Amino acid sequence: GESVGLHLPTLSVQEGDNSIINCAYSNSASDYFIWYKQESGKGPQFIIDIRSNMDKRQGQRVTVLLNKTVKHLSLQIAATQPGDSAVYFCAEKTGATNKLIFGTGTLLAVQP
Amino acid sequence: GAVVSQHPSRVICKSGTSVKIECRSLDFQATTMFWYRQFPKKSLMLMATSNEGSKATYEQGVEKDKFLINHASLTLSTLTVTSAHPEDSSFYICSASPPLGGRQETQYFGPGTRLLVL
Repeated sequence: GESVGLHLPTLSVQEGDNSIINCAYSNSASDYFIWYKQESGKGPQFIIDIRSNMDKRQGQRVTVLLNKTVKHLSLQIAATQPGDSAVYFCAEKTGATNKLIFGTGTLLAVQP
Repeated sequence: GAVVSQHPSRVICKSGTSVKIECRSLDFQATTMFWYRQFPKKSLMLMATSNEGSKATYEQGVEKDKFLINHASLTLSTLTVTSAHPEDSSFYICSASPPLGGRQETQYFGPGTRLLVL
């Protein structure tokens, strides 16, 4: 289930299940989006990206879906493994600047 | 490819001292690097954009005289926290973007530097 408030939103899944992590972005003019995985005490690790002229992109075990109508981005992880446990951030880029704006993050907890 | 390193990984210093953090792109040249700060269980907050050969661009609310940034080469940017105080304790992370012709928009992150000011 998910929880919000003072703590990071958390998604708990069983090992082997599929995970879907959601992100609402802020700027309708954003043209590039990235998902990052951050393990405790480490820097964010690039997972997958998508440009605004696409609505779906697949990688190894991961799929990113983009719905520009409702400004929604999701990350799907197939056959979730304990090593997938981490905080996942979405990030958006707008216009000519290369600055990224990060979402609040979701903690994915994989139960063995 | 696209490996970014930071040094040191962890530093403890006394209040009033200055601390320098290095960010290096190991296998590509980065005309632009970024410095972020992250509090526990929070998202990344962009502090400044570091441009090779020119002055850094700071985000609103970030004191440029407090957080000195130097981007002297295409593979190295440094962040110096001057006269550090306990409230500067945080996790500092840098990122770098490959140059034109590469995946210019993608930022690759370093492992972060944990700063504790006593």
